[in-house]
Amino acid sequence: EDQVTQSPEALRLQEGESSSLNCSYTVSGLRGLFWYRQDPGKGPEFLFTLYSAGEEKEKERLKATLTKKESFLHITAPKPEDSATYLCAVQAEFNNDMRFGAGTRLTVKP
Amino acid sequence: DGGITQSPKYLFRKEGQNVTLSCEQNLNHDAMYWYRQDPGQGLRLIYYSQIVNDFQKGDIAEGYSVSREKKESFPLTVTSAQKNPTAFYLCASSSLGGLDYGYTFGSGTRLTVV
Repeated sequence: EDQVTQSPEALRLQEGESSSLNCSYTVSGLRGLFWYRQDPGKGPEFLFTLYSAGEEKEKERLKATLTKKESFLHITAPKPEDSATYLCAVQAEFNNDMRFGAGTRLTVKP
Repeated sequence: DGGITQSPKYLFRKEGQNVTLSCEQNLNHDAMYWYRQDPGQGLRLIYYSQIVNDFQKGDIAEGYSVSREKKESFPLTVTSAQKNPTAFYLCASSSLGGLDYGYTFGSGTRLTVV
């Protein structure tokens, strides 16, 4: 069965303190790995799709990387507005839906 | 602007009552999905549909029903058979075959049993 595990559950950073969020996955043939941002009381907002090991994508202060077993979301010099829950999801080759991790709740203090 | 609209934002259900959550999209997406989110848990798939008049059960379909009579609409009914319906419900859509932009989610409906 496809599984996604995110760590840590919660992360508190000072503004400007860079860090990484981890997403470990097991899937029978990866079709795509996805990162989303979710603000409280709102729906997830798409950030990145990664397709194969070695791939990297960047958007502002965020950079996502992918290996055969895990993905990292690197946050460089975070700001308070980066505070949110970050969700990781995978879609297997022959599936039509995504399986989500429980998320990492990030808080950035000014 | 294109997007997904979920309504209502908040919904209260009495014991033994069926309620219907609305989901409408104007993105011309073929596929639509319903997920349930509970505190500390990942999103869990309830139902999905890739084409009008066809839908598939997800991991937790028991106590729920859906219909897909129009491409734009995918309503979810929470029936009285669902014993623990209090949760945050999210509707999403995507184009078939294209994962570059992931899913587009609505803003959610928070359902509470009273």
